[in-house]
Amino acid sequence: ETGVTQTPRHLVMGMTNKKSLKCEQHLGHNAMYWYKQSAKKPLELMFVYNFKEQTENNSVPSRFSPECPNSSHLFLHLHTLQPEDSALYLCASSQAGFYNEQFFGPGTRLTVL
Amino acid sequence: QKEVEQDPGPLSVPEGAIVSLNCTYSNSAFQYFMWYRQYSRKGPELLMYTYSSGNKEDGRFTAQVDKSSKYISLFIRDSQPSDSATYLCAMSGQGGSEKLVFGKGTKLTVNP
Repeated sequence: ETGVTQTPRHLVMGMTNKKSLKCEQHLGHNAMYWYKQSAKKPLELMFVYNFKEQTENNSVPSRFSPECPNSSHLFLHLHTLQPEDSALYLCASSQAGFYNEQFFGPGTRLTVL
Repeated sequence: QKEVEQDPGPLSVPEGAIVSLNCTYSNSAFQYFMWYRQYSRKGPELLMYTYSSGNKEDGRFTAQVDKSSKYISLFIRDSQPSDSATYLCAMSGQGGSEKLVFGKGTKLTVNP
């Protein structure tokens, strides 16, 4: 595997389900990010982790819960989501402190019914 | 006023055309300017990266930054069908730890 990988690529869930998104980076980076990409909106930064520590939470609702067990893996735990949470969720990584050079994964297309 | 404005298009051009993509911004503290390309069903990939004002060229791609006008451009020469994608501008302030602010993206189709 190379670059940034994300699983699953597609996810359909009901509003009462609990699911998790997984991201793994193979670039030796130490910062990881979650973004939300909705149609006709700019990418929205959700969370930032530097060296496994959360350094930014961009006022994200608590139904999204991130986890970063090590510098290579990032999870986004989802529970009791709303239909408006349907979007493409992108993971990215970079060297810590270098926001400007981020490498993105292919994203998970999430549909909340 | 939004921090970054980008016309979402769509923009459709014939193969071989010169394409001009643009963003305007309001925050004069922005110093780093990026263009990302995003193919359908893929994540964005960094295409061009410019610091402060000036031009940067990479093959068929040229990025221009005019800080006095708060305006950035990406030019694609001799456009190819493989250039069909959504192009996102992004920018950040001084220092490596400022978060990126993205435009909405412009969807480009290059017709053979």
